[in-house]
This record gives sequence, structure tokens and C-alpha cells, in this order.
Amino acid sequence: DTGVSQNPRHKITKRGQNVTFRCDPISEHNRLYWYRQTLGQGPEFLTYFQNEAQLEKSRLLSDRFSAERPKGSFSTLEIQRTEQGDSAMYLCASSLIPYLATNEKLFFGSGTQLSVL
Amino acid sequence: TQLLEQSPQFLSIQEGENLTVYCNSSSVFSSLQWYRQEPGEGPVLLVTVVTGGEVKKLKRLTFQFGDARKDSSLHITAAQPGDTGLYLCAGAKNNDMRFGAGTRLTVKP
Repeated sequence: DTGVSQNPRHKITKRGQNVTFRCDPISEHNRLYWYRQTLGQGPEFLTYFQNEAQLEKSRLLSDRFSAERPKGSFSTLEIQRTEQGDSAMYLCASSLIPYLATNEKLFFGSGTQLSVL
Repeated sequence: TQLLEQSPQFLSIQEGENLTVYCNSSSVFSSLQWYRQEPGEGPVLLVTVVTGGEVKKLKRLTFQFGDARKDSSLHITAAQPGDTGLYLCAGAKNNDMRFGAGTRLTVKP
């Protein structure tokens, strides 16, 4: 399968613990996005990468959230000192966007469901 | 405040009925996309509309992009239980993609 892969699918943690999620995008996709989705809502944009460069991170929810894409392939999203309000589905998406294209197509993974107890 | 407002938030209809859901914004978008999402899964792209006034059909689904490229609609003809899901619109702006809160559609057999 060459789709977007996210691990783990589910994560249960205690408040105050750190968690890290991994996303493997579709091979050769140069853009990678992280979104958060709570029940009954649409995905909320967090950050994105063009290759290894993080082009937008001002919408990360707090300084407890950080993301990396060190080699321009897979990405990790880390949440430090988790809080109960961090409980949500964390979605990763990738796309192959030609320079100046406007009809970008996002391919989503199945997400990581985080529960903070 | 959502950049993209979707309505209605919830819609429950009987199999065979027609329906229209809307995606509205005060901003102009270079393109709008519609996704469908099922529980426990990521959204799946249905269509992209790029040109103002554009209409695209995908079997029983008809998508329209407003002339001013600020709004879009999705019309489903003769809805089936398999159409049940969360329908999301997303707009491309300033080099990223932003989503509405979605319309949760339930089609009862």
C-alpha cells in the first residue's frame, strides 16, 4: 500500500506525559500537513512542511507542540506535557504540488487517536 | 470564527431524497475541495473546483463553485445509505488548505 501511514493508530496516555506520532507520506510527495480534529469538527490546521522546511508553524496550538521532518520524508509530531484538552484525532496529509499549482490534492492518513487521561 | 462556514451542520434524510449542502466564506479561494470522511478514518478527496461558476459531476453528486470563488455547494441526487458521512469543504489560501467544520449526513434506509 502506498498511502499515507500514521502510527500509532491509537494512543492513551496520562496527563503530563510526552507523546510522539509518526507520519509516513506517499513516496515523493513534497508537502506534508498536520491537522487536529475533535469530535464533530473539521480538521484544524497545525503546521506544514515543504520538503524538510517547516513553512508555517504559527498555528501550532501551544509551545508544547512541535513537528519535524528532518529528511523531507517522514514527519513526527510531539506533544509535551499532555493535557486532557489535547485529546483528539491527529491527522497527517501529504500532497505533490507542482510549483505555483492551485489545485493541490491532499491525501490523508487514518489518523492517530489520542486520549489523555 | 471558521474561515469556511458549512451548512447545515447536521442533515438526516431518507434514502432516495435529494439534498444540498453549502460551503460559504467571505474570502476568495484559488480552489475549493470537497472531502468525505467516515468515522475513524481520514478525509477522502471527492472533487476540486478551480474556476468560478464551475460545475462538476461525480455520479449522483454535483459540485458547484460560486462565480466569485467564495462559496460552493454539493448536491446529492437520490441519496443512499452509503452516502452517510461527514462532508467537508476545504479552501486553498496563502499556500495552505483550511477546512470547514463539515456537514454530517445520515441517510436512513
